[in-house]
Order: sequence, then C-alpha cells, then structure tokens
Amino acid sequence: GNSVTQMEGPVTLSEEAFLTINCTYTATGYPSLFWYVQYPGEGLQLLLKATKADDKGSNKGFEATYRKETTSFHLEKGSVQVSDSAVYFCVLLNTGFQKLVFGTGTRLLVSP
Amino acid sequence: DVKVTQSSRYLVKRTGEKVFLECVQDMDHENMFWYRQDPGLGLRLIYFSYDVKMKEKGDIPEGYSVSREKKERFSLILESASTNQTSMYLCASQDRGRSDYGYTFGSGTRLTVV
Repeated sequence: GNSVTQMEGPVTLSEEAFLTINCTYTATGYPSLFWYVQYPGEGLQLLLKATKADDKGSNKGFEATYRKETTSFHLEKGSVQVSDSAVYFCVLLNTGFQKLVFGTGTRLLVSP
Repeated sequence: DVKVTQSSRYLVKRTGEKVFLECVQDMDHENMFWYRQDPGLGLRLIYFSYDVKMKEKGDIPEGYSVSREKKERFSLILESASTNQTSMYLCASQDRGRSDYGYTFGSGTRLTVV
C-alpha cells in the first residue's frame, strides 16, 4: 500500500541554521508529492509540490526534490527563521485514488 | 483566494450530545474530506465525498456520519459524542480534475468532549 515516513521531531534549530526534514515514501505507480505546513492554531497550507520524478518544488526558501530512485522527498531550507516554527507534513497523492496519505508530521522549533 | 470555512474554531460538548461540524467551500470542488488530527497519529481520514449525496468511509469512520446535500457543504456528525472524540477536526476540498494541486484545508475545529 501507500505510506509516508518522515523523521520524528521536534527539530530544534537556531535562526539562520540549515534545515533538512527527511521523508521517504512507498507507493504504487507515480504519485504526486507535497509538503504541507501547519502554523500554531491553524489548518494546513500547501508549501510546495512535485508531480513527477526529478521535479523540484520550491516556495518561501524551502525546496524538495522528487527522487524516484531513493523514494524520497526531503525538505530543505538554507536559513530558517523564527517564523518557520510549525509542523511540516510530507504527503503523497496517488492520483488513481484521489486521497492524500500523510506522514505523521515533524515539529520545527526555531529560536532567535 | 479559494476558501474552505469551518463554522467553529473551538467547541465544547458534553458526552452523549449530537454534534454537527460544518464545512463550506467556495471553489466548486467535487471532492471534500473530513480528517481528525491527534498528537503522534498525524491526520486520519474519517469520511470523504466525491459528489453531492455521495459518501465513502475513510480509515476511522466509527462513531461518525456525514451529510452532503449541496456541493459546497460537507457536514460531519457525531451521533453521540464521547471523550475519545476530543480532537482537532480538519475539512478539506479538492478539484477532482486537478489532483496535482492537492487539497485546500480549513482552519480546523478543536472539539472538546467533557
């Protein structure tokens, strides 16, 4: 079946540090991959996406590359800010089923 | 901007009450979803709907039902609320023809059952 595994948190960083949140997936076919972000007290917002192998999604300084050979979609940012503190979800959509499959989320805490 | 609106941000209900959580989207999306979010468990799909009057069970439908009488509105019903249904509930919608866009989520309803 389809599943997503992402690193457990919390991830604690100082401002301007480099961020990596690991995500690997298992899927049949050719899924689309997403990162969603949830700020405190809010719903989920789409951060970035990639719909085929070797695509790179990017937004707000965050990047992730769809790696079919390693079934990975790691999230990176070169210099985090306090305002990036949130929970980040790696998500898979197998288009045949139209249902998202979520990782368990990784909490990021950035201190000044 | 596209929008999914959940009627309440916070709700407190008593055990045994019938609870209605409302969700409205203004994007003419066919697909709508209800999730619950719990610490350490991530998001779990309760029910979803592909069209008016259609509904499908998700991964954890027990204790819940849904109603979709109009395309824009998808209601989650707790027939007899219990304390283990205390959770954050998230509604989402999706354009069936643009699955590469993922879902649009509401801001969530935090329900406490006492």
